[in-house]
Amino acid sequence: GAVVSQHPSRVICKSGTSVKIECRSLDFQATTMFWYRQFPKQSLMLMATSNEGSKATYEQGVEKDKFLINHASLTLSTLTVTSAHPEDSSFYICSARGTTYGYTFGSGTRLTVV
Amino acid sequence: QQQVKQSPQSLIVQKGGISIINCAYENTAFDYFPWYQQFPGKGPALLIAIRPDVSEKKEGRFTISFNKSAKQFSLHIMDSQPGDSATYFCAASITGGGNKLTFGTGTQLKVEL
Repeated sequence: GAVVSQHPSRVICKSGTSVKIECRSLDFQATTMFWYRQFPKQSLMLMATSNEGSKATYEQGVEKDKFLINHASLTLSTLTVTSAHPEDSSFYICSARGTTYGYTFGSGTRLTVV
Repeated sequence: QQQVKQSPQSLIVQKGGISIINCAYENTAFDYFPWYQQFPGKGPALLIAIRPDVSEKKEGRFTISFNKSAKQFSLHIMDSQPGDSATYFCAASITGGGNKLTFGTGTQLKVEL
């Protein structure tokens, strides 16, 4: 089956620093990757959609300069939270979609900004 | 605009009982309806999915019922077990429409012994 690996699972960073989260499709080529943010006891909120080799498409209200997304290959997408602040603390989840499989989610990254 | 409404918000079921979660959608262009299970601190995992050309799909203890005219679909978990205690999300997407998933608000299921 399709497997998506997301790292790190947890990260604590100081306010003002940047954090990079990686999302890899291990056994399939991900033509499209999605990045979500999830607050406690809430649903997943789509932040952006990225296609390999193209600029990401951000959802309304998501700051593209703060949440940098790179989808440089068919198996890797990264989300960089720049100049992180405590309000950026959240659970971030990636999802990958290939031509054969449906949507496969990573295990999520718990970001805590102190 | 919330395009997929999910109910109930929380659900308590006795072991061995049937858990039923309902979703309603507005956009008739949706053509893919998956259900996801999420445990605390983990990403969602696909349980079962259906397309609008069938009214029901069953995989093990999980069944999706789909009513195209009412724009509703539901998840039935038969013989519910404590290990089924999790949050369940319905979702919908349009094939070729950017492939974005629109999620419901989630249902916290607790299966008691």
